[in-house]
Amino acid sequence: GENVEQHPSTLSVQEGDSAVIKCTYSDSASNYFPWYKQELGKGPQLIIDIRSNVGEKKDQRIAVTLNKTAKHFSLHITETQPEDSAVYFCAASKGYQLIWGAGTKLIIKP
Amino acid sequence: DSGVTQTPKHLITATGQRVTLRCSPRSGDLSVYWYQQSLDQGLQFLIQYYNGEERAKGNILERFSAQQFPDLHSELNLSSLELGDSALYFCASSQGTSGGAGYNEQFFGPGTRLTVL
Repeated sequence: GENVEQHPSTLSVQEGDSAVIKCTYSDSASNYFPWYKQELGKGPQLIIDIRSNVGEKKDQRIAVTLNKTAKHFSLHITETQPEDSAVYFCAASKGYQLIWGAGTKLIIKP
Repeated sequence: DSGVTQTPKHLITATGQRVTLRCSPRSGDLSVYWYQQSLDQGLQFLIQYYNGEERAKGNILERFSAQQFPDLHSELNLSSLELGDSALYFCASSQGTSGGAGYNEQFFGPGTRLTVL
């Protein structure tokens, strides 16, 4: 069935450095790829999304890239700050639902 | 605050029991989604309702059921509870149904933490 693999499971970066989280999906029909951020004790919140007719999308320090041929997409966070510490989830569309990655715990070291 | 409310915040019960989790979506949202998140694990999609009708089903156990009422609030019923059902249960809502080019942002509630002893 549809599968979304997310790497790494934990990422520790120095404050101010960049962070990259990668996801691969298996269903070539997937056409919507959101990224959610989950802070401790809260529900996930959408931070950026991309659709299959676009290769890259940016929103301030956050960007997402999509390679449909290789079936992978990545989240890029530049100039990381302490408030970026959280768990990040990628997802890929499948029919009416989203298939979620297992999550990446991002740790920002001061 | 996402605008999605979930009650109760915490629930402690015993194995074999039945519980009901409640969700009120954001004003105007027609779709409700239920997710299970076990400790240090990802989100498992359970079920989606759109305007009162079941729209998509994930890995929901037969012991679990859900419904969406005419006022659009939703309830998730968990029965014959087992220790392994202990988890965070999230409800999310969105404006429309997912599918095709019309995927909508899902807004998550704060979750209900279920502990089965």
